[in-house]
Formats: sequence, structure tokens, C-alpha cells
Amino acid sequence: DVQMTQSPSSLSASVGDRVTITCRASQGVGQELGWYQQKPGRAPKLLIYAASSLQDGVPSRFSGSGSGTEFTLTISSLEPEDFATYFCLQDYTKPYTFGQGTKLEIK
Amino acid sequence: QVQLQESGPGLVKPSETLSLTCTVSGDSFRSYYWSWIRQSPGKGLEWIGFVTSSGSTNYNPSFKSRVTISVDTSKNLFFLKINSVTAADTAVYYCARDRGGSSSPFVIWDHWGQGTLVTVSS
Repeated sequence: DVQMTQSPSSLSASVGDRVTITCRASQGVGQELGWYQQKPGRAPKLLIYAASSLQDGVPSRFSGSGSGTEFTLTISSLEPEDFATYFCLQDYTKPYTFGQGTKLEIK
Repeated sequence: QVQLQESGPGLVKPSETLSLTCTVSGDSFRSYYWSWIRQSPGKGLEWIGFVTSSGSTNYNPSFKSRVTISVDTSKNLFFLKINSVTAADTAVYYCARDRGGSSSPFVIWDHWGQGTLVTVSS
């Protein structure tokens, strides 16, 4: 299985900050990488698919980049509602596998 | 507005079969794929498998032959069965729609159910 490793595992930031989360794959996954946001007690929400395609309705402050084995999710200016846990997902090869998550907390 | 809703027993005994239903409203099954995903503190998020509108399936090999996913398009339902469950199958189970389906090489889980907690315990 492809192992997905996110860094950092947790992150403290303030409203207005620019934040970057990294996801590394144990082997190349092309651009078949998605990013999901999850709040406590809720289902994950799709933010980005195909490494950099913004899902409909997701604010433009979210962006994704990368290919192969290294990917980033960037939030250009944090809003209060962005404090949540973020997961990457590789869908290049089955079984699809997730990163362990990055918890974004308020500083 | 597309909505998905999981339903089924919240408690299953070890060695028995976990059975869940996902009710889809607001859309037809079309060319989408319909997935089950679970989340536990120990293993995090884990893709279980998907079913297409025609009934074809693809499963995570880690479940070996324990899992079956099926669909009833006439009722807008799809199903998950995991047999021979153990405590390791205790998790929140989600159903999700893959908008990419047969039309895209990418997984696009754009709609999810709220999740249902299944506990395996005697």
C-alpha cells in the first residue's frame, strides 16, 4: 500500500496567517491526490482533488500543489472556521490511502 | 441537494456480521461510484471499497474476503456487510459519493453521510 505521511501532525496558527501542510507519498502518485477538512463530529469535506483542483464552493484561500511524491495544501489567510483537521488522500492506486491528519489549532 | 444517510445497528457482537445501509436522496446513481470509508482512533481513515451503479465492486484487500458492498438502484440504496467482525472493526462508518466515477481518473468524494458509529462488543 502507498503510505501517506503528513507534516506537521499539529500546527498552531492565528487568524490571518498563511499556513502550509505537506503530504508525502511512499511512491509516486502522479497528481491523484485530494485534501479533506474534518471538524469534530462531522464527516470529512472535500477541498481539493487532482492535487490542485478546487472543489465547487470551497473558498479560494485554499489551494493545492504538487505531483509525484510531495504535495502541499496552503491556506492563504486563515479564517476562524478553518481550524480543523486536514487529511490527504492518494487515489492513484488501490487501496486508496489517507494521511494521518494535521490538526490545525488556534494559537 | 444530494444527501447520504447511513443506518444500521450501532452494536455488533464479535464474529457476527456488520450490516449498514446508505440511503441516497436528491440524485440518481448515474455513472458515480459509491464508497464506504471508516474512521477509528487506531487506524485513522480507511477506504473499504466501492460499488458502481451497475453493481461492480472494488474492495480494499486488507479486508480479505470479509466485505461485500452491493447496490439497489431502484431504491437509491447501497449496502455494506463485513463478516466475522472483531473489536478492530469498531469505527465510525461513512458512505460517500464519488462524483468522478467512471468519468474521471480522480476520486472526488463530494458528498458524505454524517457517519454512524459501530461498536463491536459482546
